[in-house]
Amino acid sequence: TQLLEQSPQFLSIQEGENLTVYCNSSSVFSSLQWYRQEPGEGPVLLVTVVTGGEVKKLKRLTFQFGDARKDSSLHITAAQPGDTGLYLCAGVEGGKLIFGQGTELSVKP
Amino acid sequence: DAGVIQSPRHEVTEMGQEVTLRCKPISGHNSLFWYRQTMMRGLELLIYFNNNVPIDDSGMPEDRFSAKMPNASFSTLKIQPSEPRDSAVYFCASSLGQVGNVLTFGAGSRLTVL
Repeated sequence: TQLLEQSPQFLSIQEGENLTVYCNSSSVFSSLQWYRQEPGEGPVLLVTVVTGGEVKKLKRLTFQFGDARKDSSLHITAAQPGDTGLYLCAGVEGGKLIFGQGTELSVKP
Repeated sequence: DAGVIQSPRHEVTEMGQEVTLRCKPISGHNSLFWYRQTMMRGLELLIYFNNNVPIDDSGMPEDRFSAKMPNASFSTLKIQPSEPRDSAVYFCASSLGQVGNVLTFGAGSRLTVL
């Protein structure tokens, strides 16, 4: 059982479409991080959300932390092929930074 | 800074052989983490060090796995003997400060055990 459940697991869309991916847990987190991983590379941090209800924007990417700090979402507007990659959420549990299974996003031109 | 440096990038070996993976963290970072990534299990934390001291190795699968950090600029992850189920991408990451701070990952070492 994953402590951080991400959905969907796979997503294939056309360039220009909007999408939302989710990161859910039954545990409360003091903060959640979002990373993006491209093939053959390590994950790279996109954003950290700290406050319940917080919304952060990174160009076409919008991140939201749930009010109860148990879940988070990532919304991408007008997806581009360059957004293709594995999106991972991560949070501290039991003194360790744990990761969700990730959402594999493919944006086709 | 060149970032977190891992070697080798790819390793193919036969079952029973010893495998040593190497990591150079970012200069000044005092925490170092070894993760393993597979399709089935995603990213799993194997062990992490703080100020060169192993803090939590509860993720190390079994006694065949060992990790060392002899100084602030070098760490190794050793598998002896290796088994096919060890095939995965192994990532090293470093950070400044405590767990939960931003991790900087290396590019990973892809291990295939035949």
